[in-house]
Amino acid sequence: EPEVTQTPSHQVTQMGQEVILRCVPISNHLYFYWYRQILGQKVEFLVSFYNNEISEKSEIFDDQFSVERPDGSNFTLKIRSTKLEDSAMYFCASSRDRGLNTEAFFGQGTRLTVV
Amino acid sequence: AQTVTQSQPEMSVQEAETVTLSCTYDTSENNYYLFWYKQPPSRQMILVIRQEAYKQQNATENRFSVNFQKAAKSFSLKISDSQLGDTAMYFCAFMYSGAGSYQLTFGKGTKLSVIP
Repeated sequence: EPEVTQTPSHQVTQMGQEVILRCVPISNHLYFYWYRQILGQKVEFLVSFYNNEISEKSEIFDDQFSVERPDGSNFTLKIRSTKLEDSAMYFCASSRDRGLNTEAFFGQGTRLTVV
Repeated sequence: AQTVTQSQPEMSVQEAETVTLSCTYDTSENNYYLFWYKQPPSRQMILVIRQEAYKQQNATENRFSVNFQKAAKSFSLKISDSQLGDTAMYFCAFMYSGAGSYQLTFGKGTKLSVIP
């Protein structure tokens, strides 16, 4: 069964460094998302992406964050200069279409630790 | 703003027993969907069940069913005949179509342990 895959599963980075989290969405899906969960907090929406551009973003998704689909398969989240408070589990998701009844398929997450 | 609250951080249940996970939400919207997602340890989050707000009938998927009380803004998940494979984090989530937004709003999650 097709699934969303994320790499790496755990990333440790020094404060101020750039980090890129990678995701391979399901191949026939058109909509891509990033969510994050700070330890003990709720899963929060960051950004959605469609047709090579951001379709929606939350207040969390500031200028430090960017997303890209560099080729036909990967979907990346870049954090330009990491802060301690960026430590969280980051989830990538994809869906075939967009709507209330749409099922989003999630990856297993990348745990980012900023030290 | 939409909020989702899961008041039980952790729960446990004996194998073959029934357990109910609670979820409440707050919204002024009329057209929305509610979801329960399951995340087994070190695995992907997968959709367990979904409910359209306009449907009065509670959704059921095999051993999983919901008790949707729209007036009370409550959306609990019942797992019958619990199995060891049900051990996971369970997230309640909400989606509405306000202003073209289709983002999911999640609760904090409930960690369920099924005990042999």
